[in-house]
Amino acid sequence: IAGITQAPTSQILAAGRRMTLRCTQDMRHNAMYWYRQDLGLGLRLIHYSNTAGTTGKGEVPDGYSVSRANTDDFPLTLASAVPSQTSVYFCASSVRGGETDTQYFGPGTRLTVL
Amino acid sequence: GQNIDQPTEMTATEGAIVQINCTYQTSGFNGLFWYQQHAGEAPTFLSYNVLDGLEEKGRFSSFLSRSKGYSYLLLKELQMKDSASYLCAVRDSNYQLIWGAGTKLIIKP
Repeated sequence: IAGITQAPTSQILAAGRRMTLRCTQDMRHNAMYWYRQDLGLGLRLIHYSNTAGTTGKGEVPDGYSVSRANTDDFPLTLASAVPSQTSVYFCASSVRGGETDTQYFGPGTRLTVL
Repeated sequence: GQNIDQPTEMTATEGAIVQINCTYQTSGFNGLFWYQQHAGEAPTFLSYNVLDGLEEKGRFSSFLSRSKGYSYLLLKELQMKDSASYLCAVRDSNYQLIWGAGTKLIIKP
C-alpha cells in the first residue's frame, strides 16, 4: 500500500441498506477525514478524526457514522442509505501538526443510492 | 456564513497564461490551499499560502492578499495536461478546510 486506499471503487446500493466505505492509509498520519463531492458544490466535510480513538462531526454528518480504532483505518458507515447520499466520497489524511498540514486524498468511492 | 467563490469555468489556449481567482469570507484564516483535480480522480495538492505575497513553484504560482480575502493561481506555459478543475480551500479558525466549488479549466490547442 502506498498512500491512501479506498474500497469499493464504486457501488450501487438500494435505499435503506447499510453500507460501509473503507479507508486505509499507510503514512502514519494522525488525522483523517471523510468528504463528499457533489456536482457544483465544494468538497463538504462529513466527519473527521484528529487522532486514533477520537472523531468529530463536520459540516454534513447526518446519516453517517465513523470510527477510528487505530491510526490506519477510518471507515464511514451509512446506516440506512437514502438517494440524497448519492455522491463521490473521498477519504483524506494529514499529519495534523506542522505549518501546512496538507491533506492527501484517496482515489474516491462513487456511490449511487437508488 | 463561510463562503469561497471561484469562477465555474475558464478556457485558455495551450502555451498561454491563465489566472484563476478565489475570494473568501471565512471565520478565521489559517492558510489557503490550491488543489488540482483531473476528471474522475482525487484532488492533489498544488500550493499553500499563509502570508501575503506570491509563492512560485515552476509553472504554477499562487498569490494571497489576506486584507482583501483574495487569492489567485497563475498557470504559465499551459499544457493540455493542465485541463482539470482547480480547487481553492481556506483553513478556518477551527482548523478545518472550507472548499470552493472549483474552476474547470479547459485548454484548447
